[in-house]
Amino acid sequence: NAGVTQTPKFQVLKTGQSMTLQCAQDMNHNSMYWYRQDPGMGLRLIYYSASEGTTDKGEVPNGYNVSRLNKREFSLRLESAAPSQTSVYFCASFTTETVYEQYFGPGTRLTVT
Amino acid sequence: QQQVKQSPQSLIVQKGGISIINCAYENTAFDYFPWYQQFPGKGPALLIAIRPDVSEKKEGRFTISFNKSAKQFSLHIMDSQPGDSATYFCAAYYNFNKFYFGSGTKLNVKP
Repeated sequence: NAGVTQTPKFQVLKTGQSMTLQCAQDMNHNSMYWYRQDPGMGLRLIYYSASEGTTDKGEVPNGYNVSRLNKREFSLRLESAAPSQTSVYFCASFTTETVYEQYFGPGTRLTVT
Repeated sequence: QQQVKQSPQSLIVQKGGISIINCAYENTAFDYFPWYQQFPGKGPALLIAIRPDVSEKKEGRFTISFNKSAKQFSLHIMDSQPGDSATYFCAAYYNFNKFYFGSGTKLNVKP
């Protein structure tokens, strides 16, 4: 039982390059989230998916797209990276079936130069 | 508009002391209030959480106090240990699948 896994762990991009961050969970949770964490700003929601086949914007969606490929996987795509997207990105999954529990992945540290 | 306000930004406590971190919210629709602990280079991990139908929840040395009328909740860490040194985040959730996080408190427990 790996919980929430993310790849890659680290990435350096040049401005204008694209990339996809991968996330997978093995807990059969319906909801999945992408957050970014910047110093002094806590975690800000980029996109979330309440169930397979649905996605919705969070607080800071501009410059990002997401795909909920199946119940396990939720990917985040940067089409044209900008220095303002330098951050640590966390994927999380959440269930309300018995108790409410949100689990986070280990994060992807992204630098855009 | 910040939905959840957390204070203080940083906290220094002596070993064995009590650490207290406070959060305030505005939206009365929130119905789940978790606290997360994050160590450097790691993802946040759920520490303890409370629903608004109770005023206090205790798990080991960690206690959440919840004041519904004041729209405030706090985390108390009793007998603080150097291993508790981490960043702590409060959060609030309501049934539209969105979490709102506080800005975090960096706790340093001195030996």
